[in-house]
Amino acid sequence: QQQVKQSPQSLIVQKGGISIINCAYENTAFDYFPWYQQFPGKGPALLIAIRPDVSEKKEGRFTISFNKSAKQFSLHIMDSQPGDSATYFCAASLRNTGTASKLTFGTGTRLQVTL
Amino acid sequence: DGGITQSPKYLFRKEGQNVTLSCEQNLNHDAMYWYRQDPGQGLRLIYYSQIVNDFQKGDIAEGYSVSREKKESFPLTVTSAQKNPTAFYLCASKEGRGTEAFFGQGTRLTVV
Repeated sequence: QQQVKQSPQSLIVQKGGISIINCAYENTAFDYFPWYQQFPGKGPALLIAIRPDVSEKKEGRFTISFNKSAKQFSLHIMDSQPGDSATYFCAASLRNTGTASKLTFGTGTRLQVTL
Repeated sequence: DGGITQSPKYLFRKEGQNVTLSCEQNLNHDAMYWYRQDPGQGLRLIYYSQIVNDFQKGDIAEGYSVSREKKESFPLTVTSAQKNPTAFYLCASKEGRGTEAFFGQGTRLTVV
């Protein structure tokens, strides 16, 4: 059972363009939605995260848009750069209640930004 | 520097062998996790631990075992019962009430 569905699997964007990656979730109890960036041979690193009480969060060129009613959220990378070429994972978890909350990951999107 | 250290970076296992992957953190985090990464399948949770001497199975625990004798350490053993162990293994940790998970650099395990 895949609780977080991510698309597309791969994405090619020209330098300066907008990269958009989409995720949909099933568990309405999820209330923390991070995006992780992973370079080849490295561990993922947190890029940006959002909670469902806001519809959008922006950090530099990276923006998360969140649609609670549709149970969807997306990552937008503005002015995409070759250095953004990496694999991006969306994830979801329950708000930590004092025990270890588990992150459920999407299947990843391999982004390539061309010159 | 604070962080998570996984070793070795590359590991080769013969058929029928058990191997242990190391994960050490100096972030003073309560919770630790092991994920398996396969192409096209994202990260799947193997085991996680909330506190010392306590751990729970994740979604794909069969063929794996863990221990949590120290707060800083959460080793993963890939046993011979794991039929398809070739993968990239990632260890992560986070504070008990925190939200951000910090990942190590991973161990790539290959069966030869």
